[in-house]
Amino acid sequence: EVVLTQSPGTLSLSPGERATLSCRASESLNGRFLAWYQQKPGQAPRLVMFGANRRAIDIPDRFSGGGSGTDFTLTITRLEPEDFAVYYCQLYRTTGLPGYSFGQGTRLEIK
Amino acid sequence: QVQLHESGPGLVKPSEILSLTCSVSGGSMTDLHWSWIRQRPGEGLEWIGQIHYSGNTLYNPSLKSRVIISLDRPNNQLSLQLNSVTATDTAVYYCARHVAAIYPAFDNWGQGTLVTVSS
Repeated sequence: EVVLTQSPGTLSLSPGERATLSCRASESLNGRFLAWYQQKPGQAPRLVMFGANRRAIDIPDRFSGGGSGTDFTLTITRLEPEDFAVYYCQLYRTTGLPGYSFGQGTRLEIK
Repeated sequence: QVQLHESGPGLVKPSEILSLTCSVSGGSMTDLHWSWIRQRPGEGLEWIGQIHYSGNTLYNPSLKSRVIISLDRPNNQLSLQLNSVTATDTAVYYCARHVAAIYPAFDNWGQGTLVTVSS
């Protein structure tokens, strides 16, 4: 089974700085099957990126996604106060037992 | 705009059945996939299973023996049934809509409902 590992576990930055979040898969996967979510306390997750690099509706262009194979990143340039949250990557498995898996999350906190 | 709303008992006894309903309003369920996802307190996200409007289902292998997801098309609802629950099934349960078949991701979520398993 493909496992997603996110790093770092916690990222402490200041508004205006650039954030780079990593998601590493234990096996190479098609970027079409990689997504990112933002979750704030007490709220449902919100889709940020799908297909590795496609922004979801209403997501500002300071968010970008990239990567291929086993290594994917979510980058947030010029952090805004509302960007501080937990971010999860998610994959859809097409080999072995198909289904969806999430990374353990990266907490982006205000420094 | 499509809205999803989960409902059901907030407390279920161990060994009993957890049953939740997700009501979809403001849009059609046609030709789309719909999923249930849960989040244990303080933990990450766990996909439970999905159903397509056609009725085809796919379940998380770790839960497959205990889960049934179904659709009530006339009432624009999907349902989750989880059998033989234990305390480890205590979680916030979300229903979610899939983006599209070619992009397996969840673009619209309900607000979630907390289910506690306790006697």
